[in-house]
Amino acid sequence: AQKVTQAQTEISVVEKEDVTLDCVYETRDTTYYLFWYKQPPSGELVFLIRRNSFDEQNEISGRYSWNFQKSTSSFNFTITASQVVDSAVYFCALRKNYGQNFVFGPGTRLSVLP
Amino acid sequence: KAGVTQTPRYLIKTRGQQVTLSCSPISGHRSVSWYQQTPGQGLQFLFEYFSETQRNKGNFPGRFSGRQFSNSRSEMNVSTLELGDSALYLCASSVAEISYNEQFFGPGTRLTVL
Repeated sequence: AQKVTQAQTEISVVEKEDVTLDCVYETRDTTYYLFWYKQPPSGELVFLIRRNSFDEQNEISGRYSWNFQKSTSSFNFTITASQVVDSAVYFCALRKNYGQNFVFGPGTRLSVLP
Repeated sequence: KAGVTQTPRYLIKTRGQQVTLSCSPISGHRSVSWYQQTPGQGLQFLFEYFSETQRNKGNFPGRFSGRQFSNSRSEMNVSTLELGDSALYLCASSVAEISYNEQFFGPGTRLTVL
């Protein structure tokens, strides 16, 4: 069975601090896809990044960076120099190959205080 | 390009009634997925439709059903509503099957069952 765990329920940081959101997943499949989504107070989920299980290259995009490590089944997300607009709930998600369900983690609520 | 639209945005029903929610995907997108979001269960996958065919279904009772039309618009129906069906129902569209493709989410329909 697939499972996604986001151990941090809520995180509060002060603006300009760096923050890392943890995601640990469980799957027996060799081919799978990992995603991060952001849900601001408006409610719409916003896609941030996807990775397939064969691509462990970590990425930096502006203030965002991702650390995918298959050895520890982790797909962590870091925001550098956080801003108030980063306040949202962040979801990590896992999907097996074609035709399978999406499994979301419980989400981490990030509050960035001015 | 217009985003994913969902109607209605808010809905209040009573137990035992049925409800139909509508989703219009981004133009050119052929895949539509539905999710239920509740404080207790988090984000849960309901169905995925591609080219009018249900490709995958989450672990929900038969009271939850859906369909997709030839123009890719989708509807989901919940019959014999229960209090526990109160949730935010999110629709997402993507160009093709969602294994790897980015999904674009709508604002959701907030259903309250009294």
